[in-house]
Amino acid sequence: QKEVEQDPGPLSVPEGAIVSLNCTYSNSAFQYFMWYRQYSRKGPELLMYTYSSGNKEDGRFTAQVDKSSKYISLFIRDSQPSDSATYLCAMSPNYGQNFVFGPGTRLSVLP
Amino acid sequence: DTEVTQTPKHLVMGMTNKKSLKCEQHMGHRAMYWYKQKAKKPPELMFVYSYEKLSINESVPSRFSPECPNSSLLNLHLHALQPEDSALYLCASKQGGNTGELFFGEGSRLTVL
Repeated sequence: QKEVEQDPGPLSVPEGAIVSLNCTYSNSAFQYFMWYRQYSRKGPELLMYTYSSGNKEDGRFTAQVDKSSKYISLFIRDSQPSDSATYLCAMSPNYGQNFVFGPGTRLSVLP
Repeated sequence: DTEVTQTPKHLVMGMTNKKSLKCEQHMGHRAMYWYKQKAKKPPELMFVYSYEKLSINESVPSRFSPECPNSSLLNLHLHALQPEDSALYLCASKQGGNTGELFFGEGSRLTVL
């Protein structure tokens, strides 16, 4: 079993849809959770950063962490064609410096 | 705009060449990272410098040699690379210690002929 699992997609949705992206993980030591957006041939851009369980909202983006289920989600409201990218989850424990990445989900938002 | 700057953006080199990738950040971060990313794959950790000391080396071949001249700069020296080393090389930085978000640069796309 991989340490972090993520549906690779591709996921295609119409413009304006609500998108749900998810990751599951196996290491209960993970405390810090991040979501990145990566456009083709560009570096990953940090979207959301959360610590431990709970929700965090920033504009059209909401991140949820459920540590009891070892499950994190990113919701995108009113999706736009410009949201078309690969979305990577990443997480790290409360010690050390390594970040473990999910394989990424490719999202296409169709006009 | 990312505050982690990488140069060059593109690099083509032969297998006998010596070249360097450079990374700079001015966020006062004390941990700097090199990642390698192949197409349609997540970033793969290569090296971590913490307070200018090498703290993680993920068994990377010696043809890749990292250097951290000061807290703002990170280099990756390349020598005798193989075609399979062609990839996007990403620099990232974060605050020192165990907390803080990881910020990436735009990457240097390397092609080895």
